[in-house]
Amino acid sequence: DSGVTQTPKHLITATGQRVTLRCSPRSGDLSVYWYQQSLDQGLQFLIQYYNGEERAKGNILERFSAQQFPDLHSELNLSSLELGDSALYFCASSAGGETYEQYFGPGTRLTVT
Amino acid sequence: SQQGEEDPQALSIQEGENATMNCSYKTSINNLQWYRQNSGRGLVHLILIRSNEREKHSGRLRVTLDTSKKSSSLLITASRAADTASYFCAPILHNTDKLIFGTGTRLQVFP
Repeated sequence: DSGVTQTPKHLITATGQRVTLRCSPRSGDLSVYWYQQSLDQGLQFLIQYYNGEERAKGNILERFSAQQFPDLHSELNLSSLELGDSALYFCASSAGGETYEQYFGPGTRLTVT
Repeated sequence: SQQGEEDPQALSIQEGENATMNCSYKTSINNLQWYRQNSGRGLVHLILIRSNEREKHSGRLRVTLDTSKKSSSLLITASRAADTASYFCAPILHNTDKLIFGTGTRLQVFP
């Protein structure tokens, strides 16, 4: 158990819909990262927040957005869903800084039908 | 684009054998991390090696780093069936702490 929790575990929804994925980082970790893992794209970094502020952006679509709240939990919002958005979405947390390992949550499996 | 590229893509061995996975990357790094992922589950951090280190050990794991060749290797000695997983390297670029993963090496260890 990494200490990072993600909800929900599974999500099945239709194209065009909007969903929110939630992540609670390990106690004390200030950085939260979101990753998408799909069969064709592999494991891709989406976005990072540090203590409530966006710190780095990766291959995140404009239809996707994220935020980190004052209690440090984070949400990833996916809108106008397409079939290709079906993937595993992972959240990770770390204390912050480039020498700290990241601890991954169990992931949310999103299926868009 | 992916920063770390693992090789081989897949590896099958018998229990007790050693498994070696290689990683190449493109730009200067501060450190490099290796992660393991069991099928459909979250990644687990294995080991971090800094750019000024050449070799690091952790239990049955040995990691090497050659910054001149921009490459790293992960050796798992005396493999076990429980080592079956995908292994990813993640080079950390200067002034960043985001992980850019390659496609990973799928290791299967047969009992």
